Amino acid sequence: GAGVSQTPSNKVTEKGKYVELRCDPISGHTALYWYRQSLGQGPEFLIYFQGTGAADDSGLPNDRFFAVRPEGSVSTLKIQRTERGDSAVYLCASSSSPGQGAFFGQGTRLTVV
Amino acid sequence: AQSVTQLGSHVSVSEGALVLLRCNYSSSVPPYLFWYVQYPNQGLQLLLKYTTGATLVKGINGFEAEFKKSETSFHLTKPSAHMSDAAEYFCAVSDRDSNYQLIWGAGTKLIIKP
Repeated sequence: GAGVSQTPSNKVTEKGKYVELRCDPISGHTALYWYRQSLGQGPEFLIYFQGTGAADDSGLPNDRFFAVRPEGSVSTLKIQRTERGDSAVYLCASSSSPGQGAFFGQGTRLTVV
Repeated sequence: AQSVTQLGSHVSVSEGALVLLRCNYSSSVPPYLFWYVQYPNQGLQLLLKYTTGATLVKGINGFEAEFKKSETSFHLTKPSAHMSDAAEYFCAVSDRDSNYQLIWGAGTKLIIKP
């Protein structure tokens, strides 16, 4: 498709379980970002990829969170031992150049019960 | 470090009135500047951007923004508000000599009164 695609759109999981969230960026975009957004808040930066490598992972809250982008396209955000505080909308964005800005997917709403 | 300030977490205007949402950045070197809009339960959509050239930029839905270097500002305006403009608006910047990192404002919720 033409835009950033995120799957699933909604995910409900039990506390302590492992989840994977997928992001398919716009074709050709080298930069890929993960953010999370809680209700009434702005985007909170998690990690940024340039190609296959994580250029900045300073926003990952703890070692339960991990993200990969093995072929420089699709990315997966992985959360281990989920906690109720992880509940949020996880947003993925991609960009082809700094001046272009980032294009966002619709997000994955994660609910940990 | 670069920072972005959006004045007013909530702005309320009457339908048909002027919309003005304020954004200021901190760096002395003008960055790339963006406005995003987020409608309820939707993702973030790029409204407009300034990279170089003309300081008044036009975006979608009748919005425009003016880059003012002397004021380190990039305020968003629309001459006449419509009910459909009710949304959250985020200002973001990206330093020209950095990677692609975006620095975000806290957002302004625009409320349109009938």
